[in-house]
Amino acid sequence: QSVLTQPPSVSAAPGQKVTISCSGSSSNIGKNYVSWYQQLPGTAPKLLIYDNNKRPSGIPDRFSGSKSGTSATLGITGLQTGDEADYYCGTWDSSLRAGVFGGGTKLTVL
Amino acid sequence: EVQLVESGGGLVQPGGSLRLSCAASGFSFSGFWMTWVRQPPGEALEWVANIRQDGAEKYYVDSVKGRFTVSRDNAKSSLYLQMNSLRAEDTAVYYCARLADRQAITYWGQGALVTVSS
Repeated sequence: QSVLTQPPSVSAAPGQKVTISCSGSSSNIGKNYVSWYQQLPGTAPKLLIYDNNKRPSGIPDRFSGSKSGTSATLGITGLQTGDEADYYCGTWDSSLRAGVFGGGTKLTVL
Repeated sequence: EVQLVESGGGLVQPGGSLRLSCAASGFSFSGFWMTWVRQPPGEALEWVANIRQDGAEKYYVDSVKGRFTVSRDNAKSSLYLQMNSLRAEDTAVYYCARLADRQAITYWGQGALVTVSS
C-alpha cells in the first residue's frame, strides 16, 4: 500500500493528451515538492518533473507538472507510442521522515 | 557524464546478509545526498534510504530499520548498502541514485537484483 495514490492505468490515442493524478496528504505533497519519473519497460526510472513543475534538461515540453494542496498532476500532450511506460510520483514525507512514491500508473497509447 | 554502477547483488538465503556497492563517477560525489530505491519484481518503486554528503545524517524506510545500513566513502566515490537478516520480501532490484534538493532523484544506476530465497 503506497503512501501516495495514483490510478493503476490510463490510456489515450496517439496525439491526444492524458493526465495522471497523485494524491497524498498534508505531511507529504501538502508540505513538500513533487517529482515525477518515467520507467520504460526493463529500464531504470528517469526524472521527468521536479519541484512540482520543472523539467530537467532534455525533457520535452509535452510533459508538465502541477500541484494543488495535497494532490499533484502529470500532464502529457501529443502522446507517442514511445511514451508507453510506468509513471511514478514521489516526494518527502515530513512526518514519516521518509521518501515516498505512488504505486505507479501504466500508460497505454492505443 | 554521470554514472552510477551497482554491484554485489545475487541470491541469498533468508536470514543472510549481502552488501551492495555503487561506484559513482562524472560528478563530485561528496557534494550530494545519495539514496537507495528498490523495486520488487512487477511492483512499484519503494524508497529505502538516504544519506547526507558527510554520512552523518541517514534516513530509512521503517521495514529495513535495524537491518540495513547505508554508508559512503567519499574518497572512493562509493555508496554502500549493508543488508542483514534478509527476508523474502526484500527481493527486489536495488537502485543507487543521486539526490538533488527537495528529494528529486536526478540520476539512477542500472540496478542490482537481490533475490532472497532458500
